[in-house]
Amino acid sequence: SAVISQKPSRDICQRGTSLTIQCQVDSQVTMMFWYRQQPGQSLTLIATANQGSEATYESGFVIDKFPISRPNLTFSTLTVSNMSPEDSSIYLCSVKTRTSQAGNEQFFGPGTRLTVL
Amino acid sequence: DAKTTQPTSMDCAEGRAANLPCNHSTISGNEYVYWYRQIHSQGPQYIIHGLKNNETNEMASLIITEDRKSSTLILPHATLRDTAVYYCIVRGNYGGSQGNLIFGKGTKLSVKP
Repeated sequence: SAVISQKPSRDICQRGTSLTIQCQVDSQVTMMFWYRQQPGQSLTLIATANQGSEATYESGFVIDKFPISRPNLTFSTLTVSNMSPEDSSIYLCSVKTRTSQAGNEQFFGPGTRLTVL
Repeated sequence: DAKTTQPTSMDCAEGRAANLPCNHSTISGNEYVYWYRQIHSQGPQYIIHGLKNNETNEMASLIITEDRKSSTLILPHATLRDTAVYYCIVRGNYGGSQGNLIFGKGTKLSVKP
């Protein structure tokens, strides 16, 4: 399995500001993702973080709003830019590993709870 | 990836088996059934996955029908700590270099004393 940590665990921000969320994994992983979970909703994939290149964004998400970096195999950041109250959500980092015994499960970090005032 | 249908919510008495159903009638031959759960205020947790044979691990059992159009996750002795939202997801087993999980609304399981 992979142990994933996220910083910060929660934050309260003013509208118009930006917040960068960090994701650190304890081992090299093949893929890293960022998800959003709005209040009372299920998880929605924002993008796939690609090492050394631009992230691959899902429909409805754009790089200007959610810039993502992945400088190496164990670390990624997601920035929520020019925030509005609608961006209040839990943001989750997720990784995929390849293990011979367990297939290709996907593991999730604890999430960052963001509240925008 | 095929779509899944799950009941919105279920209750289970503590100590009894919790049986969570999932319909995936459009599943294709190379798609696996994955189960995850999300306990309140935590990230989703992998439970189990399978292709066509029944699977069992330390957390749960997965029963897949012969036609693969539905499956049941079984928690043999539910505890209060099993209260969570359970997600059934169907996806190809692409390996570590491809793919991601697409979450539906899941089943909110409430285990009661």
